[in-house]
Amino acid sequence: GIQVEQSPPDLILQEGANSTLRCNFSDSVNNLQWFHQNPWGQLINLFYIPSGTKQNGRLSATTVATERYSLLYISSSQTTDSGVYFCAVGSGGGADGLTFGKGTHLIIQP
Amino acid sequence: GAVVSQHPSRVICKSGTSVKIECRSLDFQATTMFWYRQFPKQSLMLMATSNEGSKATYEQGVEKDKFLINHASLTLSTLTVTSAHPEDSSFYICSARGHGPPYEQYFGPGTRLTVT
Repeated sequence: GIQVEQSPPDLILQEGANSTLRCNFSDSVNNLQWFHQNPWGQLINLFYIPSGTKQNGRLSATTVATERYSLLYISSSQTTDSGVYFCAVGSGGGADGLTFGKGTHLIIQP
Repeated sequence: GAVVSQHPSRVICKSGTSVKIECRSLDFQATTMFWYRQFPKQSLMLMATSNEGSKATYEQGVEKDKFLINHASLTLSTLTVTSAHPEDSSFYICSARGHGPPYEQYFGPGTRLTVT
């Protein structure tokens, strides 16, 4: 099956810093989503981005499908940005579930 | 929009009993629903995929007789953990998507199951 690798596994930053999270995947995809898992376990949809670039406030994401990677940018980090960020991909059509990476654990210190 | 709910949020049961978890799409019709499991400090793993009115498709290694999935309507899927054992203790999360593309999935808040 498809493999998903996220880096870095852990990231500690000061409030106000910028960060880039990376997601590499091993095969072509028709679904790529970025999530933020909050301390209660809820997955918050950040981006649905199988290709191209999107921005939402301080967050933006880029997926280069031909090179099989996606990047999530967080600018001007806030302590509320802390948590685990997951990249998940799907292939073969909408009936396929998502394959998740192991996540990046982000800690923003005040 | 695109809200998915789960009930219960937390359940504790004794070994050998069965537990049912409900997943509902509140503001859209879910053509397909998915069930995932997450162990502490780990990522999410897909357990099964269900389409309304059809039998669920289980991932390799997931016992279909232990994890019964019913997708009775376009807004409701249930997961029943039968004869639960302590090793079934985990965080169970459902997701749903409408008729796509796009194939974006929306996730419920999860159910934390503890088997004693």
